[in-house]
Amino acid sequence: DVKVTQSSRYLVKRTGEKVFLECVQDMDHENMFWYRQDPGLGLRLIYFSYDVKMKEKGDIPEGYSVSREKKERFSLILESASTNQTSMYLCASSPTGQGDTDTQYFGPGTRLTVL
Amino acid sequence: GENVEQHPSTLSVQEGDSAVIKCTYSDSASNYFPWYKQELGKRPQLIIDIRSNVGEKKDQRIAVTLNKTAKHFSLHITETQPEDSAVYFCAASTYNNNDMRFGAGTRLTVKP
Repeated sequence: DVKVTQSSRYLVKRTGEKVFLECVQDMDHENMFWYRQDPGLGLRLIYFSYDVKMKEKGDIPEGYSVSREKKERFSLILESASTNQTSMYLCASSPTGQGDTDTQYFGPGTRLTVL
Repeated sequence: GENVEQHPSTLSVQEGDSAVIKCTYSDSASNYFPWYKQELGKRPQLIIDIRSNVGEKKDQRIAVTLNKTAKHFSLHITETQPEDSAVYFCAASTYNNNDMRFGAGTRLTVKP
């Protein structure tokens, strides 16, 4: 069974704080993703990584950065948290798309509130 | 880039009725179309997927159809049950899966 875990289920931070969200997967997947989920907007891609130390911007990268120093771990960083970054953050991983293995597997999510 | 639109945003049906959710996509290079179910407070879970080399796929009460020419695909749930109540997301991606884009979601409510 693929397991994707996230460091926190709930997080409350203050405006201006630096925030780290951690994601770990145990299936040796090459690809890892960070999404934010907001009502009526679905899942929007923030950043993804297709290999260690590699990253690509998604649709809404502003205000975020990422780090992938090890294959199993992908971190999302909010350099200076703002109230409009209050959201549910979902991490996902997938193997490189070949045959029947394209599926993305999601973590449980981190609900971040920025006050 | 890919743009996925999903309709309706909410859907309410009586138990035993069928439910249909429709999605359209913009990138003709997309060839993988998964559907995810997200129950309240839980992570999205894959329920069915289809690739561009087939037009329909079925798994018990769930089926997905794909029309590549029209660039739309649909999820069909027959004999709905209260436990089908959830938010459903469609998505589309190309071969390398790095460009998956999701629809905005459909909140399905099945009334007993």
